[in-house]
Amino acid sequence: GAGVSQSPSNKVTEKGKDVELRCDPISGHTALYWYRQSLGQGLEFLIYFQGNSAPDKSGLPSDRFSAERTGGSVSTLTIQRTQQEDSAVYLCASSRMATGLNQPQHFGDGTRLSIL
Amino acid sequence: KQEVTQIPAALSVPEGENLVLNCSFTDSAIYNLQWFRQDPGKGLTSLLLIQSSQREQTSGRLNASLDKSSGRSTLYIAASQPGDSATYLCAVTPSNQFYFGTGTSLTVIP
Repeated sequence: GAGVSQSPSNKVTEKGKDVELRCDPISGHTALYWYRQSLGQGLEFLIYFQGNSAPDKSGLPSDRFSAERTGGSVSTLTIQRTQQEDSAVYLCASSRMATGLNQPQHFGDGTRLSIL
Repeated sequence: KQEVTQIPAALSVPEGENLVLNCSFTDSAIYNLQWFRQDPGKGLTSLLLIQSSQREQTSGRLNASLDKSSGRSTLYIAASQPGDSATYLCAVTPSNQFYFGTGTSLTVIP
């Protein structure tokens, strides 16, 4: 498709399990961004990739969170040993090469993660 | 840490009215400021991006201004339409990060 694709659209899992969220950016977009949106916290920036490299990982909430991108395309966000506070909508966006994060971003519809 | 505040949290106006949404931020050392809209159950749509060296940007019925020194931005929507109903978010970029406001939920009544 022409837009940013995220999968799964919904994920329900038990506390303590690991989950992997996937993002397919728009073809040709070199920058990719992950965000988390939860009721109590609003929209939170997690990490962005320029190509396969993430210049700043300090936005990740804890060491249970990791993200990778290979081949300059698909990215996965992995949450290990999930906790109930990880429940949120995880949004992915992509843009053309972003210097100073100054390019318009195109968003996917998100993955709604629920931790029981 | 940068803090971004949006006022009002919710706004309801009759169709055709002009309106202003406000965004304030605590640290003026930013590269740019962006305005987004979010429809229920959807991701964000980028509306306007203002570089730190600019004072305003316009797109159709939307006009966004930026006053870095006072830490403020406004989004002006002219001749509002029911299709403008959504949540509007502003975000500032100090470095390799985005900081978002909590949003203004706009309802335009036909």
